[in-house]
Amino acid sequence: AQSVSQHNHHVILSEAASLELGCNYSYGGTVNLFWYVQYPGQHLQLLLKYFSGDPLVKGIKGFEAEFIKSKFSFNLRKPSVQWSDTAEYFCAVNAISSGSARQLTFGSGTQLTVLP
Amino acid sequence: KAGVTQTPRYLIKTRGQQVTLSCSPISGHRSVSWYQQTPGQGLQFLFEYFSETQRNKGNFPGRFSGRQFSNSRSEMNVSTLELGDSALYLCASSPGTASGSPLHFGNGTRLTVT
Repeated sequence: AQSVSQHNHHVILSEAASLELGCNYSYGGTVNLFWYVQYPGQHLQLLLKYFSGDPLVKGIKGFEAEFIKSKFSFNLRKPSVQWSDTAEYFCAVNAISSGSARQLTFGSGTQLTVLP
Repeated sequence: KAGVTQTPRYLIKTRGQQVTLSCSPISGHRSVSWYQQTPGQGLQFLFEYFSETQRNKGNFPGRFSGRQFSNSRSEMNVSTLELGDSALYLCASSPGTASGSPLHFGNGTRLTVT
């Protein structure tokens, strides 16, 4: 079974700082990769996704992620964070062989706090 | 377009009871998935329904069940509640079953078992 690791449980940054959140997964087959965000009091929202093609994917609100297959990683980046980026971020993987594109394995989440 | 609606938002039940949670997907979405979110285990896949059929099931005991109606609305049921079933239960809908169909999550139902 696949697993997803998010090594940073809580990240605190000042506004305008650069962000990189780590995500590693363990699965040897083909995967779809996702980053979801949960703002305080809101539902989970899709930030970006990778299915195939260019390993550098761009999402909403200036976020991007790079899929490095050799490292089983899908790190999330943003060059300059804003206070409004304060949220919990979840990396998720869908193993193509799971039989369902909606069976996602989530990481434990990273709480990002941006100080004004 | 209205989002995924889950009712009720909060529930308090006693051990041994059963509970039914409801999910109304986004209009036009035919796939509904359920996830359990707890501080210890994080987000875990429960099951997925499409066209009233369960397509996939996660690693949960048989006390957890669900169904989907012809209008795509879904319910999940947990019988013989245990303290460990206390969690946020999330429903997510998507237009179809292809890989390109992203999940749209609701706000969840927070179940507390005492």
